[in-house]
Amino acid sequence: AQSVTQPDIHITVSEGASLELRCNYSYGATPYLFWYVQSPGQGLQLLLKYFSGDTLVQGIKGFEAEFKRSQSSFNLRKPSVHWSDAAEYFCAVNNNDMRFGAGTRLTVKP
Amino acid sequence: DAGITQSPRYKITETGRQVTLMCHQTWSHSYMFWYRQDLGHGLRLIYYSAAADITDKGEVPDGYVVSRSKTENFPLTLESATRSQTSVYFCASRSTGSGNEQFFGPGTRLTVL
Repeated sequence: AQSVTQPDIHITVSEGASLELRCNYSYGATPYLFWYVQSPGQGLQLLLKYFSGDTLVQGIKGFEAEFKRSQSSFNLRKPSVHWSDAAEYFCAVNNNDMRFGAGTRLTVKP
Repeated sequence: DAGITQSPRYKITETGRQVTLMCHQTWSHSYMFWYRQDLGHGLRLIYYSAAADITDKGEVPDGYVVSRSKTENFPLTLESATRSQTSVYFCASRSTGSGNEQFFGPGTRLTVL
């Protein structure tokens, strides 16, 4: 069965520092891969997605993610974090139904 | 209004009562989904529907019932609510194609006393 693992439950970074959120998936073939962000009390918003082709994908709000087939990973990155990036981040894989990781909560220190 | 809406946004009920959470989307998306969000578990799929009158179980379907008589509506019913069903419930929809983005509603916070 397909599954998604986000190893980091909570990450704290300083404003202006770089960010990397980890995501590993387990699936027989290359699935469709997504990163969503959830602000407190809100629904989920899509940051970016990967289908095929270029393994580095750009998303909204300055985020990017790199697909590494050999590592079954799809890590999310941002070169300089802003205080408004504090939120919960979910990695997801999709075949017919979407499976989500448990999420990583990002705290941004001033 | 265009988009995907959920009602109610907040609900408190008692053990054993029937509760129905509503979901409505205006995009005519073929697929609709119900998730529950619990701390430490992320979002878990309860049921989904590929089209009107077609529904299928997700990861955690027990205790829930869905129907989809119209494309735009996808209600979720807890036939006899239990405390373990206290959660935040999200509805989502997408157009046909596994790679297409799911759009999420704002969520319903359900508390079962």
